[in-house]
Amino acid sequence: AQTVTQSQPEMSVQEAETVTLSCTYDTSENNYYLFWYKQPPSRQMILVIRQEAYKQQNATENRFSVNFQKAAKSFSLKISDSQLGDTAMYFCAFMRAQGGSEKLVFGKGTKLTVNP
Amino acid sequence: KAGVTQTPRYLIKTRGQQVTLSCSPISGHRSVSWYQQTPGQGLQFLFEYFSETQRNKGNFPGRFSGRQFSNSRSEMNVSTLELGDSALYLCASSLDGMVEKLFFGSGTQLSVL
Repeated sequence: AQTVTQSQPEMSVQEAETVTLSCTYDTSENNYYLFWYKQPPSRQMILVIRQEAYKQQNATENRFSVNFQKAAKSFSLKISDSQLGDTAMYFCAFMRAQGGSEKLVFGKGTKLTVNP
Repeated sequence: KAGVTQTPRYLIKTRGQQVTLSCSPISGHRSVSWYQQTPGQGLQFLFEYFSETQRNKGNFPGRFSGRQFSNSRSEMNVSTLELGDSALYLCASSLDGMVEKLFFGSGTQLSVL
């Protein structure tokens, strides 16, 4: 079974600074996807960034980028130029790429607070 | 394009009752997944429906059930509610449930008293 671990329950960062959220996972699969989701107080889960395991290049989406280390099974999220609107819970998630229906396996989340 | 709509937004029930939650996916999406979110267990997969068929099921007791209609709208039902069923229930839709991005609704917050 796959597991996802987020070792930082809470983090804080000053506005405009950079912060990195950690995520490690355990799987015996070779083909899979990794995700970072953001959950603001509105409760809606919003996809921040997605990484395919077969791609060596790290995914980026504007101020968000990942450091994907497949051998180490590590998938950290870097937020640059932090904004107040980045305050939210952040969840790392894993999905097998086996075809057909697959479920997301989530970590327990990191509560990020961006301070003015 | 309307997003994933979940109703009701909040629900209060008592132990032993049953409850039905509704999810309307994004137009054109045929896959609907349900997740339970609690402070202790985090986010856990309940089940996924595609074209009215349950394709995948999580590790939940039989009190948790669901269905999907021909218009892709989905309902989940919890019978004989227990205090531990208090949670945020999130619905997500996608085109085919796998590679495509999942789009989540804002959830239904269920409180069991």
